[in-house]
Amino acid sequence: DAKTTQPPSMDCAEGRAANLPCNHSTISGNEYVYWYRQIHSQGPQYIIHGLKNNETNEMASLIITEDRKSSTLILPHATLRDTAVYYCIVRLLYNTNAGKSTFGDGTTLTVKP
Amino acid sequence: DAGITQSPRYKITETGRQVTLMCHQTWSHSYMFWYRQDLGHGLRLIYYSAAADITDKGEVPDGYVVSRSKTENFPLTLESATRSQTSVYFCASSEYRTTGELFFGEGSRLTVL
Repeated sequence: DAKTTQPPSMDCAEGRAANLPCNHSTISGNEYVYWYRQIHSQGPQYIIHGLKNNETNEMASLIITEDRKSSTLILPHATLRDTAVYYCIVRLLYNTNAGKSTFGDGTTLTVKP
Repeated sequence: DAGITQSPRYKITETGRQVTLMCHQTWSHSYMFWYRQDLGHGLRLIYYSAAADITDKGEVPDGYVVSRSKTENFPLTLESATRSQTSVYFCASSEYRTTGELFFGEGSRLTVL
């Protein structure tokens, strides 16, 4: 599985957009990008995923570069409740060899009033 | 109840004791995973399973044993607990044939004295 690199921490003002970057330069053609977040000591929660097109759901938007070597998770209007650790991972989908999913240390996002 | 459940939620044991953490999911997901999360760090994959009777090592498998005789259960055993295994353990499941997102349990907090 491809590895990902994320900045250890970021700050964002409440109400502003939070843009969290992730590098996955060794991603293979059939690996998807997934984002999760972990609030306090709870289990991580799924946010969004994509292959090569930009994706949007009620929580966030995912922008994947054309070469697929990096992506950005966008929280359009960050609130204090978005303070969490955000993880970017890559893994196969629709494949019996979906294999291991490794998380790394993620990015700690702090939303400030 | 539907979902993924872990037990026990909290466990204190002594060095050298055997401990088993249980994980049960009701979705019949193909994949199941065990992660550990040490204080202030990200998740590290211990073992994963692609299906019943199929398991494989993750990043930090030493000192742990897993089995998966039934699709819905994936117990994790520490055969001889050590202080360095004090951690929060998360179980997760996913289905590669749909969205592939990981669903996490609430975690099991293990303290080895």
